[in-house]
Amino acid sequence: QKEVEQNSGPLSVPEGAIASLNCTYSDRVSQSFFWYRQYSGKSPELIMSIYSNGDKEDGRFTAQLNKASQYVSLLIRDSQPSDSATYLCAVNWDNYGQNFVFGPGTRLSVLP
Amino acid sequence: GAGVSQSPSNKVTEKGKDVELRCDPISGHTALYWYRQSLGQGLEFLIYFQGNSAPDKSGLPSDRFSAERTGGSVSTLTIQRTQQEDSAVYLCASSSGTSMETQYFGPGTRLLVL
Repeated sequence: QKEVEQNSGPLSVPEGAIASLNCTYSDRVSQSFFWYRQYSGKSPELIMSIYSNGDKEDGRFTAQLNKASQYVSLLIRDSQPSDSATYLCAVNWDNYGQNFVFGPGTRLSVLP
Repeated sequence: GAGVSQSPSNKVTEKGKDVELRCDPISGHTALYWYRQSLGQGLEFLIYFQGNSAPDKSGLPSDRFSAERTGGSVSTLTIQRTQQEDSAVYLCASSSGTSMETQYFGPGTRLLVL
């Protein structure tokens, strides 16, 4: 069974620090990787997607993918209190969208 | 264009009643997903539709749950004889259907079974 694992947290970081969120997955045959942010009481929204090994940067966010080690991470630079949310990692294992598995999420708290 | 919409936004029902939840995906999206999220928990996959193919129902928790998608667009999730443990937020998402495309989520339906 394909699994996606995340530390449930909460992860607390001071304002302005770098927040590092990690995700591991169970199967090497994986196609695409996504990070979603979910505020309390709201639906998930896409932060980043990454498909190739290495880093992908978008503003204060950097996604890092290492397929050999089967992990994907999300770095948030200059963390703000507004970044406080649950971050969901998602992995898609095939080309047809039906093997799309979400991790349980990591709750991030940025302290002012 | 408009995003994914869901209705109703909130539903309170009595144990044993049937409920129908509706999802309107983004126009042109061929893939549609239903998830359930209990309070403080992660997303639980329920069912997946892709175009005119047979749906992947592997996540439905019991035979009280069913879903259909008419004309490859609007989807309805039906829960028969609701139980208190069915109380959760039911989220619908759509995507263009390829593995490279992200899912876009609707606002969810908050179901409370008394």
